[in-house]
Amino acid sequence: NAGVTQTPKFRILKIGQSMTLQCTQDMNHNYMYWYRQDPGMGLKLIYYSVGAGITDKGEVPNGYNVSRSTTEDFPLRLELAAPSQTSVYFCASTTNVQPQHFGDGTRLSIL
Amino acid sequence: DQQVKQNSPSLSVQEGRISILNCDYTNSMFDYFLWYKKYPAEGPTFLISISSIKDKNEDGRFTVFLNKSAKHLSLHIVPSQPGDSAVYFCAASGSSGTASKLTFGTGTRLQVTL
Repeated sequence: NAGVTQTPKFRILKIGQSMTLQCTQDMNHNYMYWYRQDPGMGLKLIYYSVGAGITDKGEVPNGYNVSRSTTEDFPLRLELAAPSQTSVYFCASTTNVQPQHFGDGTRLSIL
Repeated sequence: DQQVKQNSPSLSVQEGRISILNCDYTNSMFDYFLWYKKYPAEGPTFLISISSIKDKNEDGRFTVFLNKSAKHLSLHIVPSQPGDSAVYFCAASGSSGTASKLTFGTGTRLQVTL
C-alpha cells in the first residue's frame, strides 16, 4: 500500500545507545516531517525537510539529527539516547496541496 | 506556551447524538486549521480542514466551525457512530499552504457509546 512506512514499530534502548528511526514514503512528496508525541500531549515537530538535501529544525530538535539524501527517505538519528526521549515518533509527508499524511509511528523506550 | 489548546481531554456521547469537540488558539498568525483522528497504534489521519477565509466547512457527517474573533474552532460530528471513537487532534498552521509546519493541540478522546 502506498503511504508512509516507519521502522521499527517498537524499540527499547539503553541510555547512551544510538539508533536510527527509518521513514520512507512512496508518494513522491517533497515535504517530510518528524514529530514526537509524549503521553497526554500533542505532537511536537522535531525536524522537517522541504526536499532532498534540505532540512531544518522544528520545535524540539535537541538530541536528534536528520538527513534527506533522497525524496523517499527521511531518517531520524538519536546519538546518545536519554530517558527524556522515550516517546512515540511519527513521520509525515505531503505536497503543498494535501494535508500531512502520517506513518503509524515508532514506540521508543529508553531505560 | 501551548498555542493550540483542547481543554477537554475526553468526551462521551451516545450513538446517534451530536459530538462537539472544541479547540482554542492564541497565535493570531494561524490561518489554516485541521482536525486529525487517531486510533490506538496508528498514525493520525486527516479528517477535515478550514481556511481562515471561511467560517464553516462541511464534509458528510463532519463540520468544522471557525470563530476568528474568539480564536476558537469546533468539530461537529452528526450523527455520532461507534467507529468515531478515537482521539481527535486540532492542528493549526501559519500559512494556507498545507505543507506548512503544524502546531497540535493535546487531543480529545471521544467515546461513542451504544
